[in-house]
Amino acid sequence: GDSVTQMEGPVTLSEEAFLTINCTYTATGYPSLFWYVQYPGEGLQLLLKATKADDKGSNKGFEATYRKETTSFHLEKGSVQVSDSAVYFCALLNRDDKIIFGKGTRLHILP
Amino acid sequence: DSGVTQTPKHLITATGQRVTLRCSPRSGDLSVYWYQQSLDQGLQFLIQYYNGEERAKGNILERFSAQQFPDLHSELNLSSLELGDSALYFCASSVVPIVRSYNEQFFGPGTRLTVL
Repeated sequence: GDSVTQMEGPVTLSEEAFLTINCTYTATGYPSLFWYVQYPGEGLQLLLKATKADDKGSNKGFEATYRKETTSFHLEKGSVQVSDSAVYFCALLNRDDKIIFGKGTRLHILP
Repeated sequence: DSGVTQTPKHLITATGQRVTLRCSPRSGDLSVYWYQQSLDQGLQFLIQYYNGEERAKGNILERFSAQQFPDLHSELNLSSLELGDSALYFCASSVVPIVRSYNEQFFGPGTRLTVL
């Protein structure tokens, strides 16, 4: 079945460091891809999305590019802040219109 | 604040019991989704309703059921509870069912269920 695999955390970085969280997927057809963020004690929020190959989603300094050839959707940010500390989920929307989430990656940013 | 409300925030109960979780979607949203988040299973889609009708089912156990009422609020009923049902249960809503063009889901803060 369709699935999402993302790097396990926790990931700990210093403020202003470069961030990459890897995400790969398996799906039939051409899913839409998403990154969600979950701050402590809150629900998930959509961070960015891409609906077709080579699309780049971006928001709040975060970017991810839909790479069909490598079935990947890695999340990047050039300079992280303490306020970016959260859990990040990669997800896909498959052809049955069901959302499948990765297990999440916890990110800690040290001041 | 996403506009989606969930009650209660925390729930502690015993094995074998039955509980009801409540979700009120954002004003104007017709679709409601339920998710279970646990340490071992991650975030899993349970069930979706649209305008009172069940639209999609995910990994929902037979001991669990849900419904969406005419005022569009939804309830998730969990019965014969087991220790493994301890998890964070999220509700999300969207204007219409998610389709290929994607209508964004807005998540509530969740209900943390602890089964002792």
